[in-house]
This record gives sequence, C-alpha cells and structure tokens, in this order.
Amino acid sequence: QKEVEQDPGPLSVPEGAIVSLNCTYSNSAFQYFMWYRQYSRKGPELLMYTYSSGNKEDGRFTAQVDKSSKYISLFIRDSQPSDSATYLCAMSASGGYQKVTFGIGTKLQVIP
Amino acid sequence: SQTIHQWPATLVQPVGSPLSLECTVEGTSNPNLYWYRQAAGRGLQLLFYSVGIGQISSEVPQNLSASRPQDRQFILSSKKLLLSDSGFYLCAWMGTGYGYTFGSGTRLTVV
Repeated sequence: QKEVEQDPGPLSVPEGAIVSLNCTYSNSAFQYFMWYRQYSRKGPELLMYTYSSGNKEDGRFTAQVDKSSKYISLFIRDSQPSDSATYLCAMSASGGYQKVTFGIGTKLQVIP
Repeated sequence: SQTIHQWPATLVQPVGSPLSLECTVEGTSNPNLYWYRQAAGRGLQLLFYSVGIGQISSEVPQNLSASRPQDRQFILSSKKLLLSDSGFYLCAWMGTGYGYTFGSGTRLTVV
C-alpha cells in the first residue's frame, strides 16, 4: 500500500463548476499537508499549506484535512480554464527538511 | 525575493553518456536543497537532499550522484546514463518550512 493515494484522473469539469480533489494516506505521523499545482512542462508551485486538521481558505481554494479519516481535500470554487493543471497532494511528519511524500497527482481540465 | 534557476530545460542524451544538471538559488543563504525526479505515472521521487555545502543525503541508490560545491548551487550528475534515467528532474529548496519552491525542471530523454 502506498503511503499516499491519489486518483490520477483525468477529471474534466465545465467552467464555473466546483472541483473536489482528494488524497488518502496511511501514515498517522503526517501533520503537514500541502497542495501543489503543476502546469504542463513546469515545476510544481505551492498552492495551499495546512498544519494538522481543519480547513484553510485562500480565494477560490479551500483545503480540508481530516486526520481521523486520513483524508485531505482541495476544493476549487468557480473553476476557470486557467485552473487546468495537475494537482499534487503532499504531506510530511514534520516541517523543515524532513521528507515530503507526494501523491501521484490528479490531472484537471476545466472546459470553457 | 528568492528565485531558483535550473538548466537546461530539455536534454536528449545517448545511453552511456555523462550528465550534469545544475541548480542555483538566489535571495537566500544556507537553503535546504533537493533533487526530485518525476516519471510518468509515478509521481515525485526524492533523489537527494542537502542541508549545507558538501552535505548530501541519498534517498535512492542508483547511478546518479549529487554535489553541493557552493552554498546556493546543487548539481546532479551521472557518469553513464541508463534508459531508465529518463524523466523530469526538479530542483527545489525549502526555506522556513512552508513547503518547497521548485525550479522549472529539466526534461531528460535518454536514447
């Protein structure tokens, strides 16, 4: 069993839809949770960063962490064609230089 | 502000040839630096990380090596490339613990 599971998609949605992206994990030591967005042929960029359980909102993006279920989500409201990218979840047991484990990434396409 | 430079963007190399990929960071000192490889359908794989000059930790034993000759320079090398070394190589740095900043990547194709 992989430490982090993420559906690779692709996920196609119409413009304006609410998008839900999810990851599950098996390592209960994970406390730091991140979402990265990666456009084609580019390096990933950090989108959201949360510590422990709870919600965090930034504009159209909301990250949720449920440690009891070992489940994290990223919601995108009012999705735009510019949101078309691969979204990678990532997590680590501690901050700093400790090892970060990534999901395989979900490819999202927002259709105008 | 901090920036990370990585080159070349694309590289096609024959099997058995050497490799050198370079990464430099600007706007910060003593960064933690990382080399990742991203293969299709396999996600990001940590290859090496470094917390200072000359300090290299290897995560995956293979025919690749890394060096950090200067504080803000990180180099990925190979003496003889294999077909299985093809992939998208990413350099990253971590500052105060809030996630990585990645470079733009090098797409390596070994033929």
